Formats: sequence, structure tokens, C-alpha cells
Amino acid sequence: DQQVKQNSPSLSVQEGRISILNCDYTNSMFDYFLWYKKYPAEGPTFLISISSIKDKNEDGRFTVFLNKSAKHLSLHIVPSQPGDSAVYFCAAISSGTYKYIFGTGTRLKVLA
Amino acid sequence: GAVVSQHPSRVICKSGTSVKIECRSLDFQATTMFWYRQFPKQSLMLMATSNEGSKATYEQGVEKDKFLINHASLTLSTLTVTSAHPEDSSFYICSASKPSNTEAFFGQGTRLTVV
Repeated sequence: DQQVKQNSPSLSVQEGRISILNCDYTNSMFDYFLWYKKYPAEGPTFLISISSIKDKNEDGRFTVFLNKSAKHLSLHIVPSQPGDSAVYFCAAISSGTYKYIFGTGTRLKVLA
Repeated sequence: GAVVSQHPSRVICKSGTSVKIECRSLDFQATTMFWYRQFPKQSLMLMATSNEGSKATYEQGVEKDKFLINHASLTLSTLTVTSAHPEDSSFYICSASKPSNTEAFFGQGTRLTVV
């Protein structure tokens, strides 16, 4: 039972354009969401997070949107850069557990 | 950000042997660490939650006698893959959270190959 899903396994975007990565979840107990970036054979690195009491959080080129009613979040990267090419995972947590449930990942390729 | 160091980054072992992977929080104390496993082109699957000074909590379907976890101090957790088999070959990643902080910091991962 995949509680956190990223339905697009891959995405290609032209440099300078916007990248939109999507994530859906099923567990209404999740109240904190994070996005991680991962290169092959490396651990994930934190990008941005959002609490369930918010619907948007912005940090530089990265913005995360949360739609609680739809149980959907998205990560916007603008402008996209070739260095953004990696696999992006969304993760969800329930308060107090600190157990991360990861999505299946989306491989982003930014074309120069 | 905080630093979590995982060692070794890569290990090859023979079937039937045991392999120990270390996860250290270098600049903070981690009462809880997590161990994940990633299969090729798949998500990171939580294996177990490692609590300092107590027994680890394993996720459903993870054999605790196969994957021994020891969290002996506030900065070190170890995962031992016992009697390794080729199907145990995978990428193992640990993470640690600061107390009362939801952001987790991940180690670099360990690529285990059992031949």
C-alpha cells in the first residue's frame, strides 16, 4: 500500500522553464511534507518542506504547494537549471513519529 | 545543516557473511535514527526505527534477526546484515533527526553487493 505516490517517474524540462513535480498521499494523518533531491549512490538532500497548516512555502527557486483537500502537493522549480537534474522524492510525516514515508520519486532532467 | 555520516559507502561481501553499516550524527545528538533500503528505480523503504538505548522498531515484513540494529549511543547506530544473500544487495541509507525537529538528515548511503 503506497501511501505517498509520485505518478510521474520522469520529467524533462528545458533550461529556464518551470519544473512541476507532483505528489499525492492517502493518509490524512500526515501533517508535514518534505521534498528531497537525490543523486545516484548518494543520500537524499533536503530541499524544502511545508506544514499542513500552510498551503505554500517558498525558498528561492523552489516553491511547494499543498492542497490538503485533494491530498496533493507539488514542487515548482523556476527557473530550472541543468544542475537540478536528479531524482526528487516527496516525503510525508505524521506528528510525533518522525517516520518518513517516501514517494516513488520523479527523475527530473533539465535540458540545456 | 547537520551532518550524518554513513560508512562504508560501498561494500562487496560473500554470501553467508555478515556486514555492518555505521551511521553517525557528527554534530548533533540523535535519539532516533532510521534505516531505509532502496531498490533500483524504487522508493526509499523504511526498514526500522532505531532508538538510543532501546530495541529497534521494525516495519512490517522486515526480518529483525536478519537486519540487526544497535543504537548504542546518541551519535551512532549500526545496521548489521547477517548471513547475507544476493537478494540483500541494495542501497541502504540511514537518517537522523534532531530532537523535536521534523527535518531528517541523511547519510550518504551504502551500496551493498552480495556475491
